[in-house]
Amino acid sequence: GAGVSQTPSNKVTEKGKYVELRCDPISGHTALYWYRQSLGQGPEFLIYFQGTGAADDSGLPNDRFFAVRPEGSVSTLKIQRTERGDSAVYLCASSLTLTVYNEQFFGPGTRLTVL
Amino acid sequence: KNQVEQSPQSLIILEGKNCTLQCNYTVSPFSNLRWYKQDTGRGPVSLTIMTFSENTKSNGRYTATLDADTKQSSLHITASQLSDSASYICVVSAKYNTDKLIFGTGTRLQVFP
Repeated sequence: GAGVSQTPSNKVTEKGKYVELRCDPISGHTALYWYRQSLGQGPEFLIYFQGTGAADDSGLPNDRFFAVRPEGSVSTLKIQRTERGDSAVYLCASSLTLTVYNEQFFGPGTRLTVL
Repeated sequence: KNQVEQSPQSLIILEGKNCTLQCNYTVSPFSNLRWYKQDTGRGPVSLTIMTFSENTKSNGRYTATLDADTKQSSLHITASQLSDSASYICVVSAKYNTDKLIFGTGTRLQVFP
């Protein structure tokens, strides 16, 4: 596709459940990023991948959060034992190369609501 | 701690008017600064990117300035349009870690007819 796509666009789940959020980056983009945006705040970095490997996962809040990118394209953010505080918009971005002008293109996000 | 602060938090202007949004940062060592526009329910879209050596950059009716000495940036919008209603987010990245963007909380701009 022309841009970064994310599915689902909305996810409502109950506290304690497991969820998976999917990101399809722009074709050919080697770098992929996950961010979390709470209401009225700017996005916060979670993790980024260069190819299949997680180059920096220092933003993941705890071990309930995990992300994979097994073939260097699609990525899945996995959240175990969801808590109400996990409710946010989860944004994915991708970029072509790691340069100083490294422009990141964002998807529309997945709005996660934990009841 | 690396931080990015923006002002005002929100702004209302009339269509056709100009406005200026402010950004202060404490990120060091500095690599680059970007302004993003985020429409409600959408992901951010890049408007401008500036490195240390650039002090102004334009993209249509949007002009960004950067003073790396005082660690301040501004985004000036000329002849505002209704479609400019959005959140404008200032984003800074540090040298040696340019992939880890540090976002401000944004300025919510509303343009009324």
